[in-house]
Amino acid sequence: SYVLTQPPSVSVAPGQTARITCGGNNIGSKSVHWYQQKPGQAPVLVVYDDSDRPSGIPERFSGSNSGNTATLTISRVEAGDEADYYCQVWDSSSDLPYVFGTGTKVTVL
Amino acid sequence: EVQLVESGGGLVKPGGSLRLSCAASGFTFSSYSMNWVRQAPGKGLEWVSSISSSSSYIYYADSVKGRFTISRDNAKNSLYLQMNSLRAEDTAVYYCAREMVGDYVWGSYRYLDYWGQGTLVTVSS
Repeated sequence: SYVLTQPPSVSVAPGQTARITCGGNNIGSKSVHWYQQKPGQAPVLVVYDDSDRPSGIPERFSGSNSGNTATLTISRVEAGDEADYYCQVWDSSSDLPYVFGTGTKVTVL
Repeated sequence: EVQLVESGGGLVKPGGSLRLSCAASGFTFSSYSMNWVRQAPGKGLEWVSSISSSSSYIYYADSVKGRFTISRDNAKNSLYLQMNSLRAEDTAVYYCAREMVGDYVWGSYRYLDYWGQGTLVTVSS
């Protein structure tokens, strides 16, 4: 089945930019979605279809996807952005159609 | 406002059964495919099962196939997960989530736009 690889952790100072990568074979040919999960809470969709934001998600969250890497970028990071972030693709040819990345813990210093 | 509220979790012995429910409100439940996703303690997200809007299409992860059964009652705006022959490795928070579908140049895609708060299932003797 398709595998998505994320760095276990990313640390960033408040006001700086955090970049979270999601690696997969030719992931640029897939549509990538990103979820934020704060401790003890359910995941929240923050980016869908590579770079679109659901209503209510700040413009500080943006996404890109090309080649073998998709990236979630959080600009002007705030303390409230500290969370786990997961990428996800849908692989229609697989027995496991919903594929989630391994997750990245973002720590705001 | 879209709301998904899971219930039915608890402590069960290995080999036992449990039925999870998810009550939906704030949207036309019968128009959407729904999913169950679980998260073991301290671990990542794992997709469990999907059911289409009319129950015509049902899919399971290999890890639960033959043991879990997904179903829905559109008249009651409810989603269910019947879990049998439970194992210790089934211990997790179980989330129900609404599915969205879109198209892009390479085909179609799916993602989960709303999630419930989750219900904890613990399988232990």
